[in-house]
Amino acid sequence: SAVISQKPSRDICQRGTSLTIQCQVDSQVTMMFWYRQQPGQSLTLIATANQGSEATYESGFVIDKFPISRPNLTFSTLTVSNMSPEDSSIYLCSVENDEAYEQYFGPGTRLTVT
Amino acid sequence: GNSVTQMEGPVTLSEEAFLTINCTYTATGYPSLFWYVQYPGEGLQLLLKATKADDKGSNKGFEATYRKETTSFHLEKGSVQVSDSAVYFCALRGDTGRRALTFGSGTRLQVQP
Repeated sequence: SAVISQKPSRDICQRGTSLTIQCQVDSQVTMMFWYRQQPGQSLTLIATANQGSEATYESGFVIDKFPISRPNLTFSTLTVSNMSPEDSSIYLCSVENDEAYEQYFGPGTRLTVT
Repeated sequence: GNSVTQMEGPVTLSEEAFLTINCTYTATGYPSLFWYVQYPGEGLQLLLKATKADDKGSNKGFEATYRKETTSFHLEKGSVQVSDSAVYFCALRGDTGRRALTFGSGTRLQVQP
């Protein structure tokens, strides 16, 4: 399995501001994913981030709102831009084990927008 | 597109009771199937998986069998403990195209002593 860390673990932000979430993995992985889990809900995929290419966004998520960087095989960032209270969620990154097709999740970033 | 349907929760059981959480899926081809568990205040953990029809995944006393004929992957445990109280998510990964997971809505399990 992979060990994944995320920073920050939680934050309270004012509407209209932006927050960048970092995801660090202890091994090189091809595919990284960003999900959102709204309170009491399931996980929804925001985008897939492969190193060396543009992130692929799911329907309902756009690059201007959720820009993603993937500068190398162990690191990615997700920015939540121009935040509103509706962006209050847990944001999780995950990685796929290339050999076993298993996906592992970071501990999440709990974001509250006031 | 792919989808996963789980039974509604919460499921409340007494300790040592038998657990079944139903999960059915819709997907083309031959997806891989997973159960994840989220303990209170913790992150999402992979519990078990099955990658082809008739495979049985197992871990920590939990089992699930990949049934292609009924498109199901029900989670079972013979004797639950209070420490099993958590939210359980069924998920699938397609075998082509999109490789991210598609999750079910989650089922909260509460085990009472």
